[in-house]
Amino acid sequence: SQTIHQWPATLVQPVGSPLSLECTVEGTSNPNLYWYRQAAGRGLQLLFYSVGIGQISSEVPQNLSASRPQDRQFILSSKKLLLSDSGFYLCAWSEGQISGNTIYFGEGSWLTVV
Amino acid sequence: GNSVTQMEGPVTLSEEAFLTINCTYTATGYPSLFWYVQYPGEGLQLLLKATKADDKGSNKGFEATYRKETTSFHLEKGSVQVSDSAVYFCALMDSSYKLIFGSGTRLLVRP
Repeated sequence: SQTIHQWPATLVQPVGSPLSLECTVEGTSNPNLYWYRQAAGRGLQLLFYSVGIGQISSEVPQNLSASRPQDRQFILSSKKLLLSDSGFYLCAWSEGQISGNTIYFGEGSWLTVV
Repeated sequence: GNSVTQMEGPVTLSEEAFLTINCTYTATGYPSLFWYVQYPGEGLQLLLKATKADDKGSNKGFEATYRKETTSFHLEKGSVQVSDSAVYFCALMDSSYKLIFGSGTRLLVRP
């Protein structure tokens, strides 16, 4: 069966410090991969998605970047964090590009920028 | 563009009450529709989905019917439990296979 792991689960980082959140999917190949952010008390915003290695689409201009160095690995990064980067970050995956396919989410990473 | 609108929360109910959470959407064509649930401190779990008009998705006593005439996908449950307390998100899948979410509705069920 397929599983998704993301880490770390929680982190507190000072303003201006770098960020790296990692996500891996097991039990499938060539998944679509996604990073979402959920700010406190708000809905989910799609940040990045990828349909293959090295293929990244950014949904909103921001202080963050994403990379996909391997087929089932997706990394969210920042060189210098801002206070506004605080939130709950969710990695997700789905199989291929088929309408109606379920998107499965990881457990999330809580980021607090202080 | 595509969008999803959910009823504002929080919704507070007593145990065994009937639940309805309204969801309407705006989209070109007929997107697949989803309900996800988020328990405190956790990620999102798929609750149910429907991929075409008049389909009914169901799971754990929850149901939602894809109504193209009213562009709606309302979530219902006949008898809620305390353990159903969570945030519920309605979503549609756009033509690029991305989920567009509503703002979420918090449900609080009291014993």
